[in-house]
Amino acid sequence: LAKTTQPISMDSYEGQEVNITCSHNNIATNDYITWYQQFPSQGPRFIIQGYKTKVTNEVASLFIPADRKSSTLSLPRVSLSDTAVYYCLVGDIERGGSARQLTFGSGTQLTVLP
Amino acid sequence: DTAVSQTPKYLVTQMGNDKSIKCEQNLGHDTMYWYKQDSKKFLKIMFSYNNKELIINETVPNRFSPKSPDKAHLNLHINSLELGDSAVYFCASSQRLQGLFYEQYFGPGTRLTVT
Repeated sequence: LAKTTQPISMDSYEGQEVNITCSHNNIATNDYITWYQQFPSQGPRFIIQGYKTKVTNEVASLFIPADRKSSTLSLPRVSLSDTAVYYCLVGDIERGGSARQLTFGSGTQLTVLP
Repeated sequence: DTAVSQTPKYLVTQMGNDKSIKCEQNLGHDTMYWYKQDSKKFLKIMFSYNNKELIINETVPNRFSPKSPDKAHLNLHINSLELGDSAVYFCASSQRLQGLFYEQYFGPGTRLTVT
């Protein structure tokens, strides 16, 4: 069961790039890495997912080194509305397609300052 | 239009009572989940059902019993409520993995307060 570790909190200023790193030393071969964003009083919202190297979508990039023991979520040019808790999730995708052993990290509170 | 809905949004009850939280998704997903988020914001999976079959059952007291009448619904029944059960409970759904990616859609949460 892959356990994840993230910084508890981070502060940034508007317009800056923010990088949040998640450690998952015991990640298994079949595990994918997923990041979620959560605003107060709301459920988490999917941001990005990857297995190795780099993945980019319209809101973020995900960098995964070759050993896959960590991953970094990169948010370009953050705004005040990006203030939220960010969770790193390592999931085990079994043959047949069902997700098992989903473990969320403790989350990182990102505060974007004006 | 709500993708994943939960009822009720707030639930205040006394110790020892039995309560249920309902969850419905209209996304056509075949996998549903229950998560518990405590006051420290730790988000822990409790159960997961795929096509009405229980596939994840984390270390949860047997006072918690999920029930999935069909693929679109996953209800959570809690017996003999305790103070430590106070938390926010999230329901989520996802589509069975196709290709390499999947994502979970979360409901708005049910804040349970046991007094």
